[in-house]
Amino acid sequence: AQSVTQLDSQVPVFEEAPVELRCNYSSSVSVYLFWYVQYPNQGLQLLLKYLSGSTLVESINGFEAEFNKSQTSFHLRKPSVHISDTAEYFCAVISRGNSSASKIIFGSGTRLSIRP
Amino acid sequence: NAGVTQTPKFRILKIGQSMTLQCTQDMNHNYMYWYRQDPGMGLKLIYYSVGAGITDKGEVPNGYNVSRSTTEDFPLRLELAAPSQTSVYFCASRTGTGDASGANVLTFGAGSRLTVL
Repeated sequence: AQSVTQLDSQVPVFEEAPVELRCNYSSSVSVYLFWYVQYPNQGLQLLLKYLSGSTLVESINGFEAEFNKSQTSFHLRKPSVHISDTAEYFCAVISRGNSSASKIIFGSGTRLSIRP
Repeated sequence: NAGVTQTPKFRILKIGQSMTLQCTQDMNHNYMYWYRQDPGMGLKLIYYSVGAGITDKGEVPNGYNVSRSTTEDFPLRLELAAPSQTSVYFCASRTGTGDASGANVLTFGAGSRLTVL
């Protein structure tokens, strides 16, 4: 069975500072990986995804994540954060090509708070 | 195009009562999911469905039931509400599997906040 670990439950950073939110996964087969973002009092929306091809994927608002198969990681980074990035971020995984491919498993989330 | 619609948005139940959370999607998605979100716990998968007439258990199915009689609807039923079921519930859907862009991306509803007293 697949699983996702987000080691940091909260990450406080100052505005315009860089940030990294960590995500590690476990799966016996190859995976699809996702980062979803939840702004206060809203549902979740996709931030970026890795399906295949280039291991570095980017979002339209400056976030990027790199799939590292050997370390089973998919860390999310941004070189300079803005107040509007304040949200909770969830890493998610789908195991490809077997009966578990229907399940989408989420990590416990990382709350990013930006200080002015 | 409404996407994924959940009702009700808020509900307070007494212990032992039953209720159904409704979820409807108008995107003709095959796959539908119910998650619960608790502080510090992320999203836990309750049940999911890969198509009409097919459902399966997720990570935390106890105390819940689902049905999928149509492609559009995936209701979640709580038979005997307990305080441990106090949570925010999210319904989500996606088209299907494979590498096609978008096929594996979930569209979420706005959530249903349930309190059991």
